[in-house]
This record gives sequence, structure tokens and C-alpha cells, in this order.
Amino acid sequence: QVQLQESGPGLVKPSQTLSLNCTVSGGSMNSDTYYWNWVRQPAGKGLEWIGRIYASGSTNYNPSLKSRVTISEDTSKNQFSLSLSSVTAADTAVYYCARTYCDDTTCYNMDVWGKGTAVIVSS
Amino acid sequence: EIVLTQSPDFQSVTPKEKVSITCRASQSIGSSLHWYQQKPDQSPKLLIKYASQSFSGVPSRFSGSGSGTDFTLTINSLEAEDAATYYCHQSSSLPFTFGPGTKVDIK
Repeated sequence: QVQLQESGPGLVKPSQTLSLNCTVSGGSMNSDTYYWNWVRQPAGKGLEWIGRIYASGSTNYNPSLKSRVTISEDTSKNQFSLSLSSVTAADTAVYYCARTYCDDTTCYNMDVWGKGTAVIVSS
Repeated sequence: EIVLTQSPDFQSVTPKEKVSITCRASQSIGSSLHWYQQKPDQSPKLLIKYASQSFSGVPSRFSGSGSGTDFTLTINSLEAEDAATYYCHQSSSLPFTFGPGTKVDIK
């Protein structure tokens, strides 16, 4: 059974770059049937889709963050990563990674999630 | 960007009662609407995909309906363990978006 685990610093200084990894276990991420997403949630607030990576490195980003976001993958480590530059207090949130799986007939939209990792932006 | 609105924002319900949560999209999204349940300090869990398709392992009391711009999540015979916040989510067009959530509390 596939599991996802986020990792990275819990505290980032303003104007610096937030970097997180998501490790995929229980299966290979190296398949065109998977889309690997990042979603974030400020404390007490709703969910925001950040972006995704799929098909050997293709990416889509939320325009609200597009100039600051990079999602990359390292299939040899079964990991994908989030980089968010020039962070401010507004980027303080729990960050989740999530998988979307598509077979021949349908997609299972964000059917597997990591437990999330809290990131605080503060000096 | 497609905006999703949900109603109500909050609902306090007694066990065994029926709960209906609506999600409205700012433009037609066909059936590309999914529902998630999130309990405190947990990650979201997929309940319903493509408006009405139950995800594996989800209790049968959860069901979804709708298409186009109007969608409904129904919980028949609410149980105490269903206390959570429920989010709708559209995958029709980028950027993907979520509704603001509906918190369901047990009386």
C-alpha cells in the first residue's frame, strides 16, 4: 500500500526558500499513471492546491504562487520536492503531499495523502 | 479560476440524522467534483470522486450527486465518527481549487 511522508524544516526565515520533500513508499512513483501534488492549509483555514508534477517532469502550478514555486522529482529516491521562494508569514501552513492515480477508465483524485508537515515562517 | 462555494458553513446534527452539504461552482465543471473528509489534526480523506462515485472503503452512508455547477454530499444516518470538515474540490480546470469547507458537529 502506497504511503507518503513529508519532510523538511519546520521553521523558515522570511525571504528565504522553503524546501520540502515527499517520500513515496510501498510503490514506485515512476509511472505515467501518477500525478504528485502539493497542497497546503494555514491553521484553521481551508485547503489550497499548490501544484503537481507528472509524466517524467511535467508540472502545473497555481498562478497565485507560480513565480515562487518549483516542484521537482528524484525518481531514484522515490521522492518529489517542493521549493517555495521569498516566503512570508502568509506561507505559514501545514503542507501536504498527495497522489492522484489514473487508470484506463478513471482517475482517483488525491486518493493518498501524507500526514502533513507544519512550516512556520518567522525570524 | 473556478470558485467553489459550500453551504452551510457549519452544521450541528444529532446522530442518525441526514446531512446534506452543497457545493456550487462558478462555472460548469461537468462531473469533475470530489469530496474529502478532514478530521482535526488529520490529512483529508477522499470520500467521493467524480460527483457520485464512492471511493473504496468509504461507508455506504456517504453519497454524492450533481453535475455542471451544483453538487451535493449526503450523509445518511450520521454517526458520531462523521464529525469533521468536508471539502469539495474541482479537477476540471487548472488551477485546481477547493471549497471553503463545511464543518459538521455532533450534538
